[in-house]
Amino acid sequence: KAGVTQTPRYLIKTRGQQVTLSCSPISGHRSVSWYQQTPGQGLQFLFEYFSETQRNKGNFPGRFSGRQFSNSRSEMNVSTLELGDSALYLCASTPTSATDTQYFGPGTRLTVL
Amino acid sequence: GDSVTQMEGPVTLSEEAFLTINCTYTATGYPSLFWYVQYPGEGLQLLLKATKADDKGSNKGFEATYRKETTSFHLEKGSVQVSDSAVYFCALNSGGSNYKLTFGKGTLLTVNP
Repeated sequence: KAGVTQTPRYLIKTRGQQVTLSCSPISGHRSVSWYQQTPGQGLQFLFEYFSETQRNKGNFPGRFSGRQFSNSRSEMNVSTLELGDSALYLCASTPTSATDTQYFGPGTRLTVL
Repeated sequence: GDSVTQMEGPVTLSEEAFLTINCTYTATGYPSLFWYVQYPGEGLQLLLKATKADDKGSNKGFEATYRKETTSFHLEKGSVQVSDSAVYFCALNSGGSNYKLTFGKGTLLTVNP
């Protein structure tokens, strides 16, 4: 089975712009979660989608949003980018129960100038 | 809320040395516990997991035992290799409908030949 894929792998944006990141989960996995990784804050949970519905959300401002499509692919969007949004954004997919392993993609490295 | 505390790095060892990375947690209910590893420029890979008290997770020579009485999940390996150099993250999932991983800050391990 192919793993979790994320596109693009690298992005450079300027402050005030918006960005959309994409994640394709492992085939058959219905849950997709997003995490932000920074040197200062570590790994922080952004949100989780299951069957096109957001079920969980972390403590991030409304500039961070996401959605999931009927084929389980997910996108996250960050509007009005700030310098502090520079991070590695990781997507993970999970097959069934919440105790199942989350399988991570390689991440999208976002740099905001 | 849920939290994970793991020993601060960096940890530098010589090849064939014994490794311990301490991890303790605070969580409601009965969480599942995980160790993930991140190699430079990559996403997270599951190293091992344990889903209930006294379970031992093991993989590639690494082991960790779920200790509910001490709320710990320490990672050990008897003989490290240069290829084990990476960042190691301890994480928990409280289960139920909560598909959210809570991570420790990560521990950078460097193994010298």
